[in-house]
Amino acid sequence: GQQLNQSPQSMFIQEGEDVSMNCTSSSIFNTWLWYKQDPGEGPVLLIALYKAGELTSNGRLTAQFGITRKDSFLNISASIPSDVGIYFCAGFPNFGNEKLTFGTGTRLTIIP
Amino acid sequence: GAGVSQSPSNKVTEKGKDVELRCDPISGHTALYWYRQSLGQGLEFLIYFQGNSAPDKSGLPSDRFSAERTGGSVSTLTIQRTQQEDSAVYLCASSPSQTAGYTFGSGTRLTVV
Repeated sequence: GQQLNQSPQSMFIQEGEDVSMNCTSSSIFNTWLWYKQDPGEGPVLLIALYKAGELTSNGRLTAQFGITRKDSFLNISASIPSDVGIYFCAGFPNFGNEKLTFGTGTRLTIIP
Repeated sequence: GAGVSQSPSNKVTEKGKDVELRCDPISGHTALYWYRQSLGQGLEFLIYFQGNSAPDKSGLPSDRFSAERTGGSVSTLTIQRTQQEDSAVYLCASSPSQTAGYTFGSGTRLTVV
């Protein structure tokens, strides 16, 4: 089936640093979503992208839908302690396919 | 309720026993999904319900797994004759349409001992 390659697998950063992570696929996706999962909770939707080239912000978070439709990026500016968690990219592979495919996640840790 | 509700939040069961996991989706959401998340892993699709259509069961790992959705609302995921490899967090999600972002519940952490 479809697979999303997400990198990096983990990040250790200091508070205040900016963060970048990305997701790539060998095939076209028509919708990209970014989720964050806190310990003991389900993933929560952060940003949704629906058009190639789209750049969308949500506070300190910015995500982009790649022009090729095969990738997406998430940036977090000026990280704070509550940014700790696991970030998942997800996408709908093609029109008519109703199941989200998820990346393997990026675990973000903030070093005190 | 306001969100997706799952119960129980934790379940410890002995190998070989059957378990039932419940999901109460957001009212009015026609699509309901079950995913499995093993320790430190991503989300593995299990099954998908959309309205009155036949469910997409393509992700169920074996015939020990089954799910139903009654009245287009509450769903139950049943695992028969549980095995240790079934230990994971089972996440339920719902959405208002086929291509909208999902809202997840907090999951049921299943431990098979």
